[in-house]
Amino acid sequence: GAGVSQSPRYKVAKRGQDVALRCDPISGHVSLFWYQQALGQGPEFLTYFQNEAQLDKSGLPSDRFFAERPEGSVSTLKIQRTQQEDSAVYLCASSYTRGGTDNEQFFGPGTRLTVL
Amino acid sequence: SQQGEEDPQALSIQEGENATMNCSYKTSINNLQWYRQNSGRGLVHLILIRSNEREKHSGRLRVTLDTSKKSSSLLITASRAADTASYFCAPYTGGFKTIFGAGTRLFVKA
Repeated sequence: GAGVSQSPRYKVAKRGQDVALRCDPISGHVSLFWYQQALGQGPEFLTYFQNEAQLDKSGLPSDRFFAERPEGSVSTLKIQRTQQEDSAVYLCASSYTRGGTDNEQFFGPGTRLTVL
Repeated sequence: SQQGEEDPQALSIQEGENATMNCSYKTSINNLQWYRQNSGRGLVHLILIRSNEREKHSGRLRVTLDTSKKSSSLLITASRAADTASYFCAPYTGGFKTIFGAGTRLFVKA
């Protein structure tokens, strides 16, 4: 496809369940970012990949959050033992250059996670 | 990177009017980016202005940057209902993070 895709678009989980959110970046994009966006707020940085290397995970809120990008393309954000405060929209973005954010990021539509 | 603070928090205008949003930041930057988010198209990059630029245009958008005041403004001319969205600035100082503020919510009434 032409853009960043994310699946599922909506996810409802019971508290304590594990969830996995998928991101398909634009083909050939080196950089991949994950963000968490609470209602009425701006996106908050979670983690950054350059190809398969996770170079910055300083935004992950706890050790229940884990992200991977094993082949440098598709990425998965996993949340273990979900809590109600994890309810948010999770956005993925990709960029064609390596390094920092000195260039345009292309965002996916997001996955809306609701933890009951 | 650092967080920008957008002002005002919300803005309501009539279609055809101009809309101006401001962004302030605290330390020197490499560049500053503006993004728009609405329910239809998600979060979309609008424009990037580098620290050595003072003004940049893209269609109906005009962005200015005043590094001495550590501020930027986004002007949307001849607004349309489709411009209704949240607008975020993202000042970039290095590293891998983009840090977004709470944004300005723009409502354009038809």
